[in-house]
Amino acid sequence: AQSVSQHNHHVILSEAASLELGCNYSYGGTVNLFWYVQYPGQHLQLLLKYFSGDPLVKGIKGFEAEFIKSKFSFNLRKPSVQWSDTAEYFCAVSAFSSNTGKLIFGQGTTLQVKP
Amino acid sequence: EPEVTQTPSHQVTQMGQEVILRCVPISNHLYFYWYRQILGQKVEFLVSFYNNEISEKSEIFDDQFSVERPDGSNFTLKIRSTKLEDSAMYFCASRITGGSYNEQFFGPGTRLTVL
Repeated sequence: AQSVSQHNHHVILSEAASLELGCNYSYGGTVNLFWYVQYPGQHLQLLLKYFSGDPLVKGIKGFEAEFIKSKFSFNLRKPSVQWSDTAEYFCAVSAFSSNTGKLIFGQGTTLQVKP
Repeated sequence: EPEVTQTPSHQVTQMGQEVILRCVPISNHLYFYWYRQILGQKVEFLVSFYNNEISEKSEIFDDQFSVERPDGSNFTLKIRSTKLEDSAMYFCASRITGGSYNEQFFGPGTRLTVL
């Protein structure tokens, strides 16, 4: 069965600090990978996704993620966070072979950026 | 920009009562999903729906749950006899086509509280 693990449950950073949120998945086949963000009081929004090709993907708001197949990882990074990045971040995977495209989520990481 | 909408935003009900959570997916989307997130836990897949039938459901989605697309625009989740453990945030999502390539768009969620 597929599973997703996010290493950091709660991260507190000061503005301008660099961010890296860990995500590992467990699945034997090919996967599609996603990072979603949920700002306070808002719905889940897609930050970035990886389907194939360049393992370094760039998303919105300066975020990027690197897919390392050998490590089953898809870590999210941002070189310099802003107060407005305070949110909950979810890593998710979908099996490439899935007809339904259901998403399997990690437990989420709450990021708090101090001004 | 088209959005997935959900009503109500918060529903409080007594244990044993039936509840219906409503979603309006994006109009040209064909695949629909329900997920839930119990407080402090992962977002979990419940069910996917395509062509007026369930295409996949999780172990959580037992006989107490049902989904329907009654009128071509709404997509509903019914819990027949609510339990305390059904208290959670319920998210609806939709996708334009099948497979795992395409992004799922999420609604803002309905917080269900069972007393």
